[in-house]
Amino acid sequence: SQTIHQWPATLVQPVGSPLSLECTVEGTSNPNLYWYRQAAGRGLQLLFYSVGIGQISSEVPQNLSASRPQDRQFILSSKKLLLSDSGFYLCAWNPITDTQYFGPGTRLTVL
Amino acid sequence: RKEVEQDPGPFNVPEGATVAFNCTYSNSASQSFFWYRQDCRKEPKLLMSVYSSGNEDGRFTAQLNRASQYISLLIRDSKLSDSATYLCVVTRRDSNYQLIWGAGTKLIIKP
Repeated sequence: SQTIHQWPATLVQPVGSPLSLECTVEGTSNPNLYWYRQAAGRGLQLLFYSVGIGQISSEVPQNLSASRPQDRQFILSSKKLLLSDSGFYLCAWNPITDTQYFGPGTRLTVL
Repeated sequence: RKEVEQDPGPFNVPEGATVAFNCTYSNSASQSFFWYRQDCRKEPKLLMSVYSSGNEDGRFTAQLNRASQYISLLIRDSKLSDSATYLCVVTRRDSNYQLIWGAGTKLIIKP
C-alpha cells in the first residue's frame, strides 16, 4: 500500500531563516505531488504541484519554491521566511484518479 | 466570489441527530466532487466521493445537484466522533484535475 511521509512534524523558525520541508511517497511510482498551506482557521491553498521529476508548477507567487529531485520526493524551500509563512504545510499525492491523499503535515511557526 | 463555498459553521448538533450541509460551486466545468474530513490539527482525509446518482456509505449520504451546482452531505445518527471540519472539494477538467477546496464546515456533536 502507498504511504506518504512528511518531516519535520513541527518547526519553529525565526523570521529571515531558511526552510526545507520534505515529503516522500512510498508504494507508487510517478505520482502527482502537491504542496498546500493551511493558515489557522482557513482552507487549503495550493502552493505547487508536480507531475514528474523536475516539473514544478507554481500556483501562488511568493518567497517559497519547490523541487522534485526524485520521483517520489518533493521538497518545499524558502531562502528567507516571513511571518506570513506560518501555517500547516501539507503534501499530497494522487494516483490515476483525481482523489488526493495527504501526509501528516508540518506545522510551521515563524517568530 | 469563491469557486467553492461552504458555510463555515460551527454546526452544534446533539448526538443522535441528523445534520446536513451544502457546498456550492461556481464553475460549471467542475468534473469530480468529494467530501473530506479534517480533525483538529490533522491532515484532511477522504470521506467519500460524490457521484451523479448520489451515494451512501453507512450513516453518510452525499448528493450532487449539477443544475443548481451544489453538493450535500447528510449525516444520520450523529456520533461524538463525527465532530470535525468537513471540506468540500471539486475538480475541473480545464485545470489539470487540480482540486479546488472549500474552506470547510465545522461540525460539533454534543452529548
